[in-house]
Amino acid sequence: QSVLTQPPSASGTPGQRVTISCSGSSSNIGSNYVYWYQQLPGTAPKLLIYRNNQRPSGVPDRFSGSKSGTSASLAISGLRSEDEADYYCAAWDDSPQSVFGGGTKLTVL
Amino acid sequence: QLQLQESGPGLVKPSETLSLTCTVSGGSISSSSYYWGWIRQPPGKGLEWIGSIYYSGSTYYNPSLKSRVTISVDTSKNQFSLKLSSVTAADTAVYYCAALYCGGDCYSVFLSWFDPWGQGTLVTVSS
Repeated sequence: QSVLTQPPSASGTPGQRVTISCSGSSSNIGSNYVYWYQQLPGTAPKLLIYRNNQRPSGVPDRFSGSKSGTSASLAISGLRSEDEADYYCAAWDDSPQSVFGGGTKLTVL
Repeated sequence: QLQLQESGPGLVKPSETLSLTCTVSGGSISSSSYYWGWIRQPPGKGLEWIGSIYYSGSTYYNPSLKSRVTISVDTSKNQFSLKLSSVTAADTAVYYCAALYCGGDCYSVFLSWFDPWGQGTLVTVSS
């Protein structure tokens, strides 16, 4: 059972906008930054969003992150077939320990 | 460009100690801008943080694994290592090493994120 809560699945058609939620608590998301990772099938996770809403160079601006209170969201606009992957949110907990969400499998219909 | 590569046995017997090494290239493990960490992923499941270390030797461990985990750093070889003792089948997973970048000097692990990751190595616990 993961410390951060994500929906197990999400889906959308090409061109659509989808959002993936991530819920935590005051000791993790509520007081620390949120990060998002994309894991394409059979590969290692890759950083998608850092410090709540910052995109690393090379990540398309179709991907955006936001945080409010103890929850965060990842939005993907202009959905493309290559976006089909598992998405994980993460944050530091005050312990300190790094905690992950259970992952959301995104299907492009 | 920083690159990380895991190495170690792919098969470990129950009750024995799992040992993995991560070799860092393209940068120094003694950089003040990075922590270094281990994450694992059981087959078909999500990510679990194991622990992290700074080049000075400061460590942070997952409380659920803390009694069995040791992470160490060898600055002379630009490597860091993971030891997980008393393994069971539940420890079967792909083990990833990763850099934790702070975006500047690492005055707090809370400001770091995992980037980049190694390709991962599957470790199976079985007799």
